[in-house]
Amino acid sequence: QQQVKQSPQSLIVQKGGISIINCAYENTAFDYFPWYQQFPGKGPALLIAIRPDVSEKKEGRFTISFNKSAKQFSLHIMDSQPGDSATYFCAASKRFGNEKLTFGTGTRLTIIP
Amino acid sequence: DGGITQSPKYLFRKEGQNVTLSCEQNLNHDAMYWYRQDPGQGLRLIYYSQIVNDFQKGDIAEGYSVSREKKESFPLTVTSAQKNPTAFYLCASYMTVYGYTFGSGTRLTVV
Repeated sequence: QQQVKQSPQSLIVQKGGISIINCAYENTAFDYFPWYQQFPGKGPALLIAIRPDVSEKKEGRFTISFNKSAKQFSLHIMDSQPGDSATYFCAASKRFGNEKLTFGTGTRLTIIP
Repeated sequence: DGGITQSPKYLFRKEGQNVTLSCEQNLNHDAMYWYRQDPGQGLRLIYYSQIVNDFQKGDIAEGYSVSREKKESFPLTVTSAQKNPTAFYLCASYMTVYGYTFGSGTRLTVV
């Protein structure tokens, strides 16, 4: 049973554009929602995370939007750059991250000039 | 520098052979995790340990074994019972406030 569904599987965006990746979860006990960025041959690195008591969190060009009633959250990358080309994973956890992470299936993002 | 060290980076296994993947952390984190990554399937949890001498099965534990004799170390053994072991294996550690830290992974290939 896949508890976190991620879309799209791949995404191509022009430089300077907005990249949007979506995730939906099923377990209402989840209360911590991080996004990870992974480059080829490397481990994932935490990009930004949100808790369900807020609807949006912004860090630089990266924004998480959270819709608790719809059980959905999304990552927006503003002014996308070629260096943003990577695979992005959403994840969810209980107890504010003190339990195991459940990951989405990943989105391969390519930024073209 | 604090972090997680996984070794080796590449590993080749013959049919019927057991192999052990190393994971060491110097972050003083309590919890450690092993994930398997396959194309198009994200990261799936194999085993995790929240304290020394204790560990729990994740979603895909069959064919794998672990030990946690020291806080710093959480080795993963891929046994001959794992029928499809070719994958990228990621180790992670966790502590409240600091969050999760991942290693750089081990790519295991069956030859």
